[in-house]
Amino acid sequence: DQQVKQNSPSLSVQEGRISILNCDYTNSMFDYFLWYKKYPAEGPTFLISISSIKDKNEDGRFTVFLNKSAKHLSLHIVPSQPGDSAVYFCAASEASGTYKYIFGTGTRLKVLA
Amino acid sequence: KAGVTQTPRYLIKTRGQQVTLSCSPISGHRSVSWYQQTPGQGLQFLFEYFSETQRNKGNFPGRFSGRQFSNSRSEMNVSTLELGDSALYLCASSSFLDTQYFGPGTRLTVL
Repeated sequence: DQQVKQNSPSLSVQEGRISILNCDYTNSMFDYFLWYKKYPAEGPTFLISISSIKDKNEDGRFTVFLNKSAKHLSLHIVPSQPGDSAVYFCAASEASGTYKYIFGTGTRLKVLA
Repeated sequence: KAGVTQTPRYLIKTRGQQVTLSCSPISGHRSVSWYQQTPGQGLQFLFEYFSETQRNKGNFPGRFSGRQFSNSRSEMNVSTLELGDSALYLCASSSFLDTQYFGPGTRLTVL
């Protein structure tokens, strides 16, 4: 049973436009969420996180939104750049400070120049 | 500060064999987690070690085991390899209340 789902395996966006990556979860006990970016032949790199007490967290071009009632989070990248082309994974855990992260299957983002 | 290192980077084994993968965490990090990445399945949590003790465990068969040494280095062992064990195995380390930092992974191919 996939507790964290990324239903879009791929996404293409023009450079300069907004990229929106979506993630849904089923476990209501999850209270800490993260986004990782992965380039080929490299391990995932942490991007941004959010705890369940917030509904938005911003870091430069990256913003994560959390809708607890819908069990949905999204990552917005504005403006998108060609270097953002990578696979993006969302992850969730039941308590911050523990490291049993449950990952989604990833969304491959392609930013077109 | 050096990142997480994993050895070997690539490995080819045959069915029935066993394999040991190694992970050296970032200096000062005491938590080490292991994940398996396969196409279509994303990253699946195997286990987490902290101060030489397994603290969390995912839903993998007993053929998958691990350990952590006093210097926080960790090893993962898979016995009686199956074709379906072919995957990228990722190790991540973290310090208290910090996020996880991943290594580049070990690509295991089982023939």
